[in-house]
Amino acid sequence: TQLLEQSPQFLSIQEGENLTVYCNSSSVFSSLQWYRQEPGEGPVLLVTVVTGGEVKKLKRLTFQFGDARKDSSLHITAAQPGDTGLYLCAGVKSGYALNFGKGTSLLVTP
Amino acid sequence: DTAVSQTPKYLVTQMGNDKSIKCEQNLGHDTMYWYKQDSKKFLKIMFSYNNKELIINETVPNRFSPKSPDKAHLNLHINSLELGDSAVYFCASSQMPGSNQPQHFGDGTRLSIL
Repeated sequence: TQLLEQSPQFLSIQEGENLTVYCNSSSVFSSLQWYRQEPGEGPVLLVTVVTGGEVKKLKRLTFQFGDARKDSSLHITAAQPGDTGLYLCAGVKSGYALNFGKGTSLLVTP
Repeated sequence: DTAVSQTPKYLVTQMGNDKSIKCEQNLGHDTMYWYKQDSKKFLKIMFSYNNKELIINETVPNRFSPKSPDKAHLNLHINSLELGDSAVYFCASSQMPGSNQPQHFGDGTRLSIL
């Protein structure tokens, strides 16, 4: 059973467009993390959201944690080719294991 | 300076062989992990060690055996390699176990079984 469902799985947009990636679960998480992975590299942490309803901004990226701490979203404003990559959400339900979603593969074309 | 380094970066070998992947971190972290990323990019935890002690052992065939000689190293030995073992294996570390701790990943070892 997949704990975290991400949507969409693939997204291809043009430079300058806005987009939102969703990470949903039926389980409550104490926190959720978002990572970005580029080809040939390991995932790199973008942000950790901890409090229900929390909103964090990282330049053009806005992350939100749902009030019930079961879901999160990533919104990118005015996407650029450098935003291209695999976006992964991850959370811990119990114990120490970090459970990852299946990822959203984003392609931004000039 | 590379924070989490894995060797080798590429590993191509025959079915039935035994191979090892090495991982070292210079971040002074107490906790290290092994993940497997399949062809669909799904990243799944395999093992975790905290201060050289095993704390996570997911449902992984016992052909996979992790070894942590010290806090800075976590190696992965795989016996009798099978076609389904083809994947990218990532090592990661964090300061301590826990959901709020950021994990730092290596660049992966791409294992291909012929």
